Amino acid sequence: QKEVEQNSGPLSVPEGAIASLNCTYSDRGSQSFFWYRQYSGKSPELIMSIYSNGDKEDGRFTAQLNKASQYVSLLIRDSQPSDSATYLCAVLIGNMRFGAGTRLTVKP
Amino acid sequence: EAQVTQNPRYLITVTGKKLTVTCSQNMNHEYMSWYRQDPGLGLRQIYYSMNVEVTDKGDVPEGYKVSRKEKRNFPLILESPSPNQTSLYFCASSPTGGWSREQYFGPGTRLTVT
Repeated sequence: QKEVEQNSGPLSVPEGAIASLNCTYSDRGSQSFFWYRQYSGKSPELIMSIYSNGDKEDGRFTAQLNKASQYVSLLIRDSQPSDSATYLCAVLIGNMRFGAGTRLTVKP
Repeated sequence: EAQVTQNPRYLITVTGKKLTVTCSQNMNHEYMSWYRQDPGLGLRQIYYSMNVEVTDKGDVPEGYKVSRKEKRNFPLILESPSPNQTSLYFCASSPTGGWSREQYFGPGTRLTVT
């Protein structure tokens, strides 16, 4: 089992819809969870961090953490074409471990 | 402007020719790190540094060296590059090396070793 797994996608949603991105991790003791957005040919950009169970909202983005289920998700409300990118889940498991990413396409 | 810079951005070299990729940050961050990104494998950590003169191995350190003589700089050294080190490399920094390790990435260096 990989330490951090994401649904590989690609995920396609229409403009204005909610995009849901999921990530599971292997180490029950993990404390820190991050979502990065990476546009094609660019570097990863931090969009959300979450450290405790529950939801954390920032604008159109909501991160959800469930440590019992070892599951972290990112919801993007009112998706826009500019949200089209690859989204990387990262978990601090000793070292920082990244998932392979989910490619999201938002269609106008 | 707060940023992480890397040089060079693109490099084509031959097997065995030593090279250095520089990384510098102007945010007074304690933590710095190097990653490589390969298709299907995602981002993998090579080395990291919690502070000046403190470095440690990540998940894929073989074939690489680093040093942290100054807080702002964290160069990545390939003493004898091989074709399997062809990859996209990112440097990142974070204000702290603690559990709230929110990292900011440089623009990337695309390395090809022939």
